[in-house]
Amino acid sequence: GAVVSQHPSRVICKSGTSVKIECRSLDFQATTMFWYRQFPKQSLMLMATSNEGSKATYEQGVEKDKFLINHASLTLSTLTVTSAHPEDSSFYICSARHPLSYEQYFGPGTRLTVT
Amino acid sequence: AQSVTQLDSQVPVFEEAPVELRCNYSSSVSVYLFWYVQYPNQGLQLLLKYLSGSTLVKGINGFEAEFNKSQTSFHLRKPSVHISDTAEYFCAVSEQGGSEKLVFGKGTKLTVNP
Repeated sequence: GAVVSQHPSRVICKSGTSVKIECRSLDFQATTMFWYRQFPKQSLMLMATSNEGSKATYEQGVEKDKFLINHASLTLSTLTVTSAHPEDSSFYICSARHPLSYEQYFGPGTRLTVT
Repeated sequence: AQSVTQLDSQVPVFEEAPVELRCNYSSSVSVYLFWYVQYPNQGLQLLLKYLSGSTLVKGINGFEAEFNKSQTSFHLRKPSVHISDTAEYFCAVSEQGGSEKLVFGKGTKLTVNP
């Protein structure tokens, strides 16, 4: 089956620093990937849609300069949280859209803690 | 715009009992419907989906769901649950012919007790 990986699974960083999260589709090419944020005991909120070779489309209220998304290849999208603050601490999940079924396959998530 | 309401935030049941997790949606256009399961500190796994055709959809792990257009519902059911079914369950919708963005409900925590 289709597999999506994320790296790292957990990261702790200091306030003011930047952290990059990688999302990879391991056995299929994905022109479209999605980034979600999940607060404790809450649902997933779509942050942005990442399209290979073009700029990401951000949801209303998501700061594009703070959450930088790059989709440089058909198997890799990255999310960089710039100048992180404690309120950015969350669980970040990516998904990749399969080109044949159009189904979204989800990564295992990245737990970000900003101290 | 679409929205999803999962009426129960927590559902405790005993092992081997039947369970129903409720999901209602709101949309001005036709939608696709999904149920996902999330185990602790993991991503989401698709249980089942409704795209078209038969309103009764069977998924993995013995789960099934029924699409009811008049009631705008897509309730998830399992006739006999196992301890291993303990997880968070999310209902989601996306617009047919739209951007494929998924809109999720707030989730239902299913706890199966021995």
